[in-house]
Amino acid sequence: AQSVTQLDSHVSVSEGTPVLLRCNYSSSYSPSLFWYVQHPNKGLQLLLKYTSAATLVKGINGFEAEFKKSETSFHLTKPSAHMSDAAEYFCVVGFSGGATNKLIFGTGTLLAVQP
Amino acid sequence: GAVVSQHPSRVICKSGTSVKIECRSLDFQATTMFWYRQFPKQSLMLMATSNEGSKATYEQGVEKDKFLINHASLTLSTLTVTSAHPEDSSFYICSARDRVTQPQHFGDGTRLSIL
Repeated sequence: AQSVTQLDSHVSVSEGTPVLLRCNYSSSYSPSLFWYVQHPNKGLQLLLKYTSAATLVKGINGFEAEFKKSETSFHLTKPSAHMSDAAEYFCVVGFSGGATNKLIFGTGTLLAVQP
Repeated sequence: GAVVSQHPSRVICKSGTSVKIECRSLDFQATTMFWYRQFPKQSLMLMATSNEGSKATYEQGVEKDKFLINHASLTLSTLTVTSAHPEDSSFYICSARDRVTQPQHFGDGTRLSIL
C-alpha cells in the first residue's frame, strides 16, 4: 500500500535561514514523488517531482529534494527562505490505479517565515 | 504552459440549490481530470477521476448522485453539487493531466459556501 507522512504540521524559520520539510513514504513499487505548494485560497503548484531518474531533484524557486530509498524519505530543502515561501507544502506519492495514476497527499506542512 | 482554469473561484448559495464548477485546461488536452475536496486545514481528498468521454470513477464514500461529474471534451470537466447543503461547504480543487506519465496540474480551487 502507498502512503505518505509529513512529520511536521508547522515549521517556522527566519528569513534567510535554511528550510527543511520532512516527508517519508511507503510504497510497494518504485514511487513517483512530488512536492506541491499551496498559497492561501489557491490551487496547488508543482515544485518538483521524482520519477526514478536522479535522486537529487531540483525544483522551482530554489527548492530541491533528495530521494533516499534506504530511509524511504523525500525531504524538501531550500538554502535560504524568503518571505514569499510562506505557504502550505504537500508531499505526494503517485501510484498506478487501473488506467490512471492517482496521487496520495500528505497532511501538509505549514511553513511560516519570520522577518 | 499547463494552465488549468477553475471557475467560479467563490460561490455562496442557499441550501437546496445546485452548483456547477468548471475546470478547463487552457493549453493542453486533458485526457484525465481529477476532482478533490479540501476541508479547512486538511489535506486534499480525491473525490473522483474522470476520463474524457467516459463515466467518472468515484472514490469510496463519495456519492455519485450528489456530485455529478461530466468530462465531455478534452479541455473541460464540470462538477455539479446537487441539492447542496451546508455540510457540502468546502474548497473544491480540480486537476488535469494529458498523459499518464505527466504530473497533474491544479486549478486555483472553488470556495463553496452553502447557507
